[in-house]
Amino acid sequence: EAQVTQNPRYLITVTGKKLTVTCSQNMNHEYMSWYRQDPGLGLRQIYYSMNVEVTDKGDVPEGYKVSRKEKRNFPLILESPSPNQTSLYFCASRIRQGTDTQYFGPGTRLTVL
Amino acid sequence: GDSVTQMEGPVTLSEEAFLTINCTYTATGYPSLFWYVQYPGEGLQLLLKATKADDKGSNKGFEATYRKETTSFHLEKGSVQVSDSAVYFCALTHNQGGKLIFGQGTELSVKP
Repeated sequence: EAQVTQNPRYLITVTGKKLTVTCSQNMNHEYMSWYRQDPGLGLRQIYYSMNVEVTDKGDVPEGYKVSRKEKRNFPLILESPSPNQTSLYFCASRIRQGTDTQYFGPGTRLTVL
Repeated sequence: GDSVTQMEGPVTLSEEAFLTINCTYTATGYPSLFWYVQYPGEGLQLLLKATKADDKGSNKGFEATYRKETTSFHLEKGSVQVSDSAVYFCALTHNQGGKLIFGQGTELSVKP
């Protein structure tokens, strides 16, 4: 089954404790991205990757890091989480940059205390 | 910069009522337009899309027409069901950018 998976689905952590949210897709997609969803703001892009070892900032990259060492995986790293990073996070992938359909993961709800 | 504006929610309708969720956009050039749906506790799913002016996207009884002259992409359904209760997002993207720009989302609640 074609899908985007994320782990964990729920996470409660404390300020400053490094964490990683994993994202994996099994569709051989080139383009992957991370969004955060906040009430009244819709989804905003954090980082994106057009292919292996090619990443770039989205609209709200501060406080986040990413890496793309393999085509299927695109982890989101919070080196020192803060309460303003409490949000619902979605990973997404598409075949390539452009207007192709984008597939979303199920989401990770992160709470930073 | 590019932006998408949706009507405020929540929208509450009775089953079999007519649905319209307004969406307008500001963008340079000719973006592609999308409606995504998010059911409770789930990720976003593509509902329909239109890639050029006057195109009509349709799926599961939902429709939206790309109106360049009014920069709009309103979502409609003739008869909603309880199972349509969800949050609906309007979004746009450009060929070159790849990034989806979302509206704030509109929550729909359909009562039996």
